Amino acid sequence: GAVVSQHPSWVICKSGTSVKIECRSLDFQATTMFWYRQFPKQSLMLMATSNEGSKATYEQGVEKDKFLINHASLTLSTLTVTSAHPEDSSFYICSAPLAGRPDTQYFGPGTRLTVL
Amino acid sequence: DAKTTQPNSMESNEEEPVHLPCNHSTISGTDYIHWYRQLPSQGPEYVIHGLTSNVNNRMASLAIAEDRKSSTLILHRATLRDAAVYYCILRDVGTGTASKLTFGTGTRLQVTL
Repeated sequence: GAVVSQHPSWVICKSGTSVKIECRSLDFQATTMFWYRQFPKQSLMLMATSNEGSKATYEQGVEKDKFLINHASLTLSTLTVTSAHPEDSSFYICSAPLAGRPDTQYFGPGTRLTVL
Repeated sequence: DAKTTQPNSMESNEEEPVHLPCNHSTISGTDYIHWYRQLPSQGPEYVIHGLTSNVNNRMASLAIAEDRKSSTLILHRATLRDAAVYYCILRDVGTGTASKLTFGTGTRLQVTL
């Protein structure tokens, strides 16, 4: 099956720094990727839709200047958490459907961000 | 978005079948029913999806009510590795080719020996 990877799998940073999380589709091309955030014991919350070659679409309430998304190629999307604060500590997960096959989405293993 | 309602948690014994229910009384004609599951500290994985007819795959079966207002995910023989949170999600195919998924709270399945 299709594989989506994320890097890093976990990261600890100081408050005020920026953190970049990568999402890669390893064996397929993804024109669209999705970014989710999940707090402990809660469900996944969609943050934004990442589109290759164009601007990301953010969900209501998600600050686009704080969560920068770049989808530079058909296999890579990045999420940068700028000026991270402790409340940004969460589990960040990306997903991607196969091109032309929206019925199945493949999820990455997630990145656990801890901001001190 | 049409919403789904699932029990918060369920328990099953290993090797026994598990029926996970989902209510979606406001489902529209263009909504597909999807099931994903999330094992602890991992990203979700696709389980199964369907529109009107019952569906089977190597992981599970999906039984869809005739009026489509409810569905049931069936794990034929639960194992300890099936312990996860199971999400029932409606995906509107009318919104484009890469429709986003809206996750509810899901059902936490516990499997015991």
